[in-house]
Amino acid sequence: KAGVTQTPRYLIKTRGQQVTLSCSPISGHRSVSWYQQTPGQGLQFLFEYFSETQRNKGNFPGRFSGRQFSNSRSEMNVSTLELGDSALYLCASTSGGTGELFFGEGSRLTVL
Amino acid sequence: DAKTTQPNSMESNEEEPVHLPCNHSTISGTDYIHWYRQLPSQGPEYVIHGLTSNVNNRMASLAIAEDRKSSTLILHRATLRDAAVYYCILFMIYNQGGKLIFGQGTELSVKP
Repeated sequence: KAGVTQTPRYLIKTRGQQVTLSCSPISGHRSVSWYQQTPGQGLQFLFEYFSETQRNKGNFPGRFSGRQFSNSRSEMNVSTLELGDSALYLCASTSGGTGELFFGEGSRLTVL
Repeated sequence: DAKTTQPNSMESNEEEPVHLPCNHSTISGTDYIHWYRQLPSQGPEYVIHGLTSNVNNRMASLAIAEDRKSSTLILHRATLRDAAVYYCILFMIYNQGGKLIFGQGTELSVKP
């Protein structure tokens, strides 16, 4: 079956702009979570959605937001971009529970 | 949040076993121990997970200490394709969902 798909794969923005990233989970998976990966901070949890509801949230400012649609696809949005937001943003899906998460290849955001 | 501690890097010879250690002394009773690995320019890939008992799958074995404060990922015969960053992660259960708390990972290099 198809894996987790993230779009766009690469994008460049300037400070102050906003960006929306998209994630299509594996068919049948209802939980989608987002992670930020930077060289300095490593992988950090952003938030998790399940059945269109945000279930958990990491320690990121309110500029980072997300949502999930009825088909389980998810988007995350970052407003008023800062240079420090340059990172690889990873989406992961799971059918639920405590088992395996399936990650996409990520969206690499560069803020100039 | 509980944290994991891993060596920054390890080396192995091809076709030899590899033992990757991880300390998680502040683990709570409901945290699962997950291992993922990440190749350059890819999202993390699930390797194995467990709660209390040792676990085996086609990729690796996971040995969990009796007090759960440490664990070891065992690759039985390293191949060149096993060269990656290996993350020992705690899966923390919150609000019926969960989040992965990543450490800094161990970069494994495999010599032919």
